Amino acid sequence: GNSVTQMEGPVTLSEEAFLTINCTYTATGYPSLFWYVQYPGEGLQLLLKATKADDKGSNKGFEATYRKETTSFHLEKGSVQVSDSAVYFCALSDLGVISTNAGKSTFGDGTTLTVKP
Amino acid sequence: DGGITQSPKYLFRKEGQNVTLSCEQNLNHDAMYWYRQDPGQGLRLIYYSQIVNDFQKGDIAEGYSVSREKKESFPLTVTSAQKNPTAFYLCASRGTDTEAFFGQGTRLTVV
Repeated sequence: GNSVTQMEGPVTLSEEAFLTINCTYTATGYPSLFWYVQYPGEGLQLLLKATKADDKGSNKGFEATYRKETTSFHLEKGSVQVSDSAVYFCALSDLGVISTNAGKSTFGDGTTLTVKP
Repeated sequence: DGGITQSPKYLFRKEGQNVTLSCEQNLNHDAMYWYRQDPGQGLRLIYYSQIVNDFQKGDIAEGYSVSREKKESFPLTVTSAQKNPTAFYLCASRGTDTEAFFGQGTRLTVV
């Protein structure tokens, strides 16, 4: 079945530091890949996505590239801010396909990021 | 505004009671999902529905029940059979070729 493995946390950085959160996946077929962010006490919000190999998703200074050869979708940001402190989830799903496995998203366990001023 | 709404935000349950968590969406999405999140952990799928009047068990369905009588609504009942119901519950919906959209969550506590 599908699975997502992401870097264990927590991660603590100083403001303006470079961020990488690693994510690798196992999937049958050609899934779409996502990064979601969760602020304390709230639901998940989509941060960025990529729907095919070599696509780069980007939003709010965050980037991730869909690497099929290494089955990875690492999240990066060049200069983090205190407001980026949150839990980040890597996920995959088969978009637009109706089957037994379709529609369900598979999530990593989440990585907690704390950015200190 | 289109979105997905969960209510209540906080819910307290006594031992042996059933409680129902509400999830409503006006995004015209066919698929809806319930997840459970425990502190410091990822999301675990409880139930999902890809179409009205149909739903399937997820990975941790025991002690929970759902219904999907309307496209917009996917309520989750936490029954007395669920031995450890204290958790944060998230509802999500998804249209064809889109990512999942999440509600703000319901925090359930057993008192």
